[in-house]
Amino acid sequence: AQKITQTQPGMFVQEKEAVTLDCTYDTSDQSYGLFWYKQPSSGEMIFLIYQGSYDEQNATEGRYSLNFQKARKSANLVISASQLGDSAMYFCAMREGFNDYKLSFGAGTTVTVRA
Amino acid sequence: DTAVSQTPKYLVTQMGNDKSIKCEQNLGHDTMYWYKQDSKKFLKIMFSYNNKELIINETVPNRFSPKSPDKAHLNLHINSLELGDSAVYFCASSQDLGEKLFFGSGTQLSVL
Repeated sequence: AQKITQTQPGMFVQEKEAVTLDCTYDTSDQSYGLFWYKQPSSGEMIFLIYQGSYDEQNATEGRYSLNFQKARKSANLVISASQLGDSAMYFCAMREGFNDYKLSFGAGTTVTVRA
Repeated sequence: DTAVSQTPKYLVTQMGNDKSIKCEQNLGHDTMYWYKQDSKKFLKIMFSYNNKELIINETVPNRFSPKSPDKAHLNLHINSLELGDSAVYFCASSQDLGEKLFFGSGTQLSVL
C-alpha cells in the first residue's frame, strides 16, 4: 500500500497567491517524521520543511508552512505569496518509527506559478 | 563548497556495460543513501550506509553494488547495464536518524 499519497499531479497558481499541496500518509507508528522537498526543473532536491509526529505546533519555514492534521493523517504544504521561482515539483515524504533510516516519497505535485 | 557532490552528472552508455557513480559529502554526516528516480519522477531508496555499514538494502538487482570506503563517500557500481536502469540516481546524506536528507544534484543515467 502507498504510504504517502499526493492526489494532485499538477496545479496552477497565480503569482502572489497562496497554494496548498495535499499529502496524506499511512502509518501505524506513533513516532514518524514528515518532510517536504522541492525539485525544480534543474533537478536537484531541496529540503523545505519538517514536521515530527509529536510536534504540537505546525512547522513553518519562511513562506512555507505545514498544515499537520494528525487524526486525518494529512500533512499539507502551504506556500504563501507564490513566486515564479516556486514553479517546481513538490514531494511529500515520511520517515516511520525510530529505527528507520529511509524516507518513503509520494508521487509528487507539479506547481506552475503564473505571472 | 558543495555539500553532497556526485559525479558524473550525465552518463550515457550501452547495454551490458559496467559503470560507477561516485558520491562524496563534506557535511560530516554519518548516513548516506542512494535513491533512484524513475521516468515518472517516483523516488525510491536503494541503499543506505551508516558509518560505512550497510543498513538498508531494498529489493535491488544484485547488479547494483554500493561501496563505502569511508563515512564521506558512497559509490554505486552497476554491472551489465539494462535499458530499465535508465533513471536519475541521487546520492543523499543525513546526520542522524529522522533528520533531513541533503541530496546531491543527481546523475542522469541513460542506457542505450
